Amino acid sequence: DIQMTQSPSSLSASVGDRVTITCRASQSISSYLNWYQQKPGKAPKLLIYAASSLQSGVPSRLSGSGSGTDFTLTISSLQPEDFATYYCQQTHSPPLTFGPGTKVEI
Amino acid sequence: QVQVVESGGGVVQPGRSLRLSCAASGFTLTSYGMHWVRQAPGKGLEWVAVIWYDGSNKYYGESVKGRFTISRDTSKNTLYLQMNSLRAEDTAVYYCARASGDSAFDMWGQGTMVTVSS
Repeated sequence: DIQMTQSPSSLSASVGDRVTITCRASQSISSYLNWYQQKPGKAPKLLIYAASSLQSGVPSRLSGSGSGTDFTLTISSLQPEDFATYYCQQTHSPPLTFGPGTKVEI
Repeated sequence: QVQVVESGGGVVQPGRSLRLSCAASGFTLTSYGMHWVRQAPGKGLEWVAVIWYDGSNKYYGESVKGRFTISRDTSKNTLYLQMNSLRAEDTAVYYCARASGDSAFDMWGQGTMVTVSS
């Protein structure tokens, strides 16, 4: 099975900061990497698919990059609505796996 | 309106069974792979199962393999998760999610809570 790790597990930031979250796969997953945002009590929301493609309606201050085993999610200028937990996910092969999450706090 | 709505959650004793439903509207299940994902209280997301768009393949997470079964009724446009031999560690919010052509989960339901407790 493919294991996913994320770093950091949590971070504190301020509005306007540039934030980068890293996701690593235990083996190459090409670009089968997605990013989700989840707010308390809500379902996850797709942000980035195929490592770097922005989901429709997601603001352009979010971006994704990487391929193979190492990936990043970047928020160029953190906004109040960005405070949430972020998960990466590999869809290269079942069992599909999520990273443990990164909580972005004020 | 394009959406999925889960139902069927509740409190169940260990060892018993429960069936979750996920009603899809605005699209047909025969065009999309469909997944179940769960989230234990205060924990991260755990993928549970998938059924391919044509129903030809089903896959399960290790923790539920042999106990849970994913299925669908195309006439009702509804996805199911039959959960047998439930354990305390199955306690979670269960989400159904639609997989886009790029295999990302582009639509999620609001979730249904399952509590396994005596």
